[in-house]
Parts: sequence; C-alpha cells; structure tokens
Amino acid sequence: EVQLVESGGGLVQPGGSLRLSCAASGFTFSSYSMNWVRQAPGKGLEWVSYISGSGSAIYYADSVKGRFTISRDNAQNSLYLQMSSLRDEDTAVYYCARWHTPMVRNLGYWGQGTLVTVSS
Amino acid sequence: DIVMTQTPLSSPVTLGQPASISCRSSQSLVHSDGNTYLSWLQQRPGQPPRLLIYKISNRFSGVPDRFSGSGAGTDFTLKISGVEAEDVGVYYCMQATQFPLTFGQGTKLEIK
Repeated sequence: EVQLVESGGGLVQPGGSLRLSCAASGFTFSSYSMNWVRQAPGKGLEWVSYISGSGSAIYYADSVKGRFTISRDNAQNSLYLQMSSLRDEDTAVYYCARWHTPMVRNLGYWGQGTLVTVSS
Repeated sequence: DIVMTQTPLSSPVTLGQPASISCRSSQSLVHSDGNTYLSWLQQRPGQPPRLLIYKISNRFSGVPDRFSGSGAGTDFTLKISGVEAEDVGVYYCMQATQFPLTFGQGTKLEIK
C-alpha cells in the first residue's frame, strides 16, 4: 500500500524558515516523480514544486521560486521542501503527492498534509 | 501558464440525480507524447484530495463507475450518474501536460 506521511509543519514568523519532510513507503521511491501541493485555509489547490525520480529535473511555481528548495533522498525514501523567507501568504496545508505511474503524469497518491502557519 | 476554468462553482444536487462539472483550459492539453493529462480530483471535507479520473476518462483504482470523464483538447466534463451522500465535497480539474501544473477553482457539490 502506498503511504505518504508529511511532517515538519508548524508556526513560523514571517521571514523565517521551515523544512518539510514526506516519508514514503509501499513502492519503489526512486522510480517515481514527486510533488508538493499546498492549500491555503478555505482556498483551492496550488501546485508548488516537482522533482523527478533521480532528482535531475526540478520545477517550481513562480510564487516560491528562489525561496523554496525541493530535494529527495532515495536511500531514505524521503522527500523534502526547504522553505525560507516565508510570507503570510505561504500559510497553507502542504501535501506531498506522487506521480500516478512513472509514465503517467498526474497526482495519483496524496499524503494527509502538514499545516504551515506563517504569523508574527 | 495554462488557466483551468470550472463551471459551475457550486452545484446543489438531489440525491440520486446526475451532476455534471465542466472544465475548460486556456490552451490544448495534448502533450507531445500524444496523451492528454487532464485529471479530476475529489476533496471531501477535512480530507486530502483523491484522484478520481486521469487522462480525461480513466477511472482510478477503487473509483465507483458512477463517475465518468469525457472531453478533448480544451473542453472536459466530469459526470456523476447518480449522486450519493458520500459524493459531497469539492471537485477539481487539473492539468499535468505542462509545468506549472494548474488546477481549476473547484466546484462545491452539495445535496439539495
């Protein structure tokens, strides 16, 4: 069974930093591209970042480019999101999501999410 | 960026009656590999999103057959043949043809 478990969320002041983690199990982690998607309170879904299985291809939403860094450790079956220069508008539940299959581009599996609150 | 526009944004439906949600993209979603990466996701209250339909019309594992997807190019539709109480939530279309991945605004399905 595919499982994705996010952690690392919490309360942080504007301008601060936070590192989110996503622990994966139930599949060959290195074979799958991964994504971070966020959802501000009461709002819709916003894609944040993508990383290929090998880590060689990375993309970011313009809203986080230069502030957030996605990475992965295939030996540890883990995905990360390093967030810095945080703003109020980064407040959201952050989900990690796996590509459906290595060749089919969609968000087939989702974690439960971790809440990040940016506030002074 | 590809803009995804859903209609309606709210859909009150009687139990057992059909429901339909439309999604239009600002440009063609046909990928260079020939596939169209248009998905539909369901988000029940307090839950993470769940994949329902991928590549326009393919039901994901475990999705009831009352859910169906159709369309091509820039116009797509999600249909529920007979709404059940467990279908309450917000439905999103999403394109994964091109980065950045983008979502529709969401359509709230509620029971009349």
